[in-house]
Amino acid sequence: QVRLQESGPGLVRPSETLSLTCTVSGGSIDGYYWSWIRQPSGKGLDWIGYVSYSGRTDYNPSLKSRLTISVDISKNQFSLKLTSVTAADTAVYYCARQYGGDPTTSSNWFDPWGQGTLVTVSS
Amino acid sequence: SFVLTQPPSVSVAPGQTARITCGGINIGRKSVHWYQQRPGQAPVLVLYHDTGRPSGIPERLSGFNFGNTATLTISRVEAGDEADYYCQVWDSSGHLVVFGGGTKLTVL
Repeated sequence: QVRLQESGPGLVRPSETLSLTCTVSGGSIDGYYWSWIRQPSGKGLDWIGYVSYSGRTDYNPSLKSRLTISVDISKNQFSLKLTSVTAADTAVYYCARQYGGDPTTSSNWFDPWGQGTLVTVSS
Repeated sequence: SFVLTQPPSVSVAPGQTARITCGGINIGRKSVHWYQQRPGQAPVLVLYHDTGRPSGIPERLSGFNFGNTATLTISRVEAGDEADYYCQVWDSSGHLVVFGGGTKLTVL
C-alpha cells in the first residue's frame, strides 16, 4: 500500500522560501504523476502543481512565478519550493498521487494523500 | 477558469439519504471526482470519474453527473459519514485542477 509523508519546516519567515519534501513508501514514484495541494485553515482545497516521474511539471497559474516542483526517483521523493512567501501561503500542505493517465489529455484524480503538514508564514 | 459551486452545508438524519451537489457550466461534459475529509484528517477519494468507487468505499456512496450538476448521493447515512465533501475536476485547457468549495455534511 502506497504511503506519502510530507516533511519540512513548520515555520517560514515572510519573503523567504518554503521547501517541502514528500517521501513515497510502499511503491515506486516511477510511472506516476505527483501533486501538491494546500488548504488554509478552515478553507477549501487549492491545487498547487504536479510533477511526473520524468520531471514534467504543470503549475497553478496563480503560483507559477514563485513555484518549482521537482522529483528525485533515486530517493523516491518529490519536492516543492515556493519563493517570496507571505501570510497568505500559510496552510496545511498535502502531497498526493495522481491517477488517470496523461493529465494533458485525461482527467486526473488524487489517491492517496499524505497526512499533511502545517506551514505557517510568520516573522 | 472553471468554477465549481457546492452548498456550504447539508444536514440529514441517520438512515436517510444525503445528496451533495456540485454545480458548474456543462459539468456533465467533464469527469468529476469526490473526496471525503473528516475533521483533522487528509482528504480521501470516495468517487472517481463520476461514478467509480475505489476499493473500500461502500456501495452506499454513488454519483451522477449531467448537465450543469454533479451529485454525490450517500444512502443510509451513518454518523461516520459526517465530514466535508469536495468535488474536483481537471481543467486541462486551463492547466488547472479545480475543487469545489466543499460541503459540510452533518448527521443529525
